[in-house]
Amino acid sequence: KAGVTQTPRYLIKTRGQQVTLSCSPISGHRSVSWYQQTPGQGLQFLFEYFSETQRNKGNFPGRFSGRQFSNSRSEMNVSTLELGDSALYLCASSSLLGGATEAFFGQGTRLTVV
Amino acid sequence: AQSVTQPDIHITVSEGASLELRCNYSYGATPYLFWYVQSPGQGLQLLLKYFSGDTLVQGIKGFEAEFKRSQSSFNLRKPSVHWSDAAEYFCAVGVSGAGKSTFGDGTTLTVKP
Repeated sequence: KAGVTQTPRYLIKTRGQQVTLSCSPISGHRSVSWYQQTPGQGLQFLFEYFSETQRNKGNFPGRFSGRQFSNSRSEMNVSTLELGDSALYLCASSSLLGGATEAFFGQGTRLTVV
Repeated sequence: AQSVTQPDIHITVSEGASLELRCNYSYGATPYLFWYVQSPGQGLQLLLKYFSGDTLVQGIKGFEAEFKRSQSSFNLRKPSVHWSDAAEYFCAVGVSGAGKSTFGDGTTLTVKP
């Protein structure tokens, strides 16, 4: 069974630009969550999508948005990039069947804003 | 709201020695608890999980963890550490029926030869 796939693995963007990151969950998993990881703030929850609907949202500004498609693939978008958005962005998928909530993570997208 | 505290930012142990990483959580109901490991530049790998039942859970790579409700703890243990265990370890608490988890700040493990 293929794992969670995130693309691209690395990105360099300029302040003010926007970026879109992609995540393909494990086949059959309907929940996709996004996290931002930085040395100073640790792992912070961005949002969770389930069956194309955003179910939970973390405490991030509106510049951070996401969506989920009917095949459960998800994208997250960051507009008007700031230097502080430099981070490892991790996507995780969960089946949620039978209450199983453990998350399976992708390898992440390393975003550098210059 | 749930929260997770990992009191030790950095731990150094000698190869072959035993290991215990501490985790304390705050959650109103019965928690779903996890330990993950992360190697540099990589995603997180699930080591073990606790949902209910036996409070001592076994995971991969020889790790185990014990859930103690009275102490709100879920400490990770390994009887004999290998050099390849050097990594960052995260404790997390989950919510029933949701993919969202709250993570601790992590503990970095260094293994001395």
